[in-house]
Amino acid sequence: SSELTQDPAVSVALGQTVRITCQGDSLRSYYASWYQQKPGHAPVLVIYAKNNRPSGIPDRFSGSNSGNTASLTITGAQAEDEADYYCNSRDSSGNHLVFGGGTKLTVL
Amino acid sequence: QVQLQESGPGLVKPSETLSLTCTVSGGSIRNYYWNWIRQPPGKGLEWIGYIYYSGSTNYDPSLNSRVTISVDTSKNLFSLKLTSVTAADTAMYYCARAPDYYDILTGQQQYHFDYWGRGALVTVSS
Repeated sequence: SSELTQDPAVSVALGQTVRITCQGDSLRSYYASWYQQKPGHAPVLVIYAKNNRPSGIPDRFSGSNSGNTASLTITGAQAEDEADYYCNSRDSSGNHLVFGGGTKLTVL
Repeated sequence: QVQLQESGPGLVKPSETLSLTCTVSGGSIRNYYWNWIRQPPGKGLEWIGYIYYSGSTNYDPSLNSRVTISVDTSKNLFSLKLTSVTAADTAMYYCARAPDYYDILTGQQQYHFDYWGRGALVTVSS
């Protein structure tokens, strides 16, 4: 089991806003990073250091943090955003890294 | 543009050692953390461990007794060895880069994986 907890599946209507969450004690001290993975492809970094986007990632992706929960928000979801999303941060000891279990996003 | 490429056998027998290499091109191996991450078929991502370019390592506790990550800065590559493999080690294995990033606001070293290889599928079977 992962020390970072994500909802297994989330759906959003095309053009609407969706929030994907990641919960864990370590998130009170460490940032989460977020990865998008489409079938048959390697993961792609979409958010790091709470709310920084790498070059080439659309600005509809944003990140936030509150207490033990990190969130990835997609404002105006597009069909191409349908994918699995994973958070990553430190484990509860703070000494190692761990991924959340992943959230499958469906765009309706 | 930085590129990472995994290479190694796609089939390993049970109880033997899985060996993979990640070759880094388009950038230096210095001043970064170099990671191995795996994904069993149909399942989520699992962090295996990292090596800093200087040689310090950090491994997932559940794999610590079986894993070794090494780096060759002269060849711009790093490697993974996983001993005593079983069918549970069957997975897509990715290598990934993490910048050496110290966050002033939190006063903590923060990690994120900014470049990934395409992955190498390793099957453990006799």
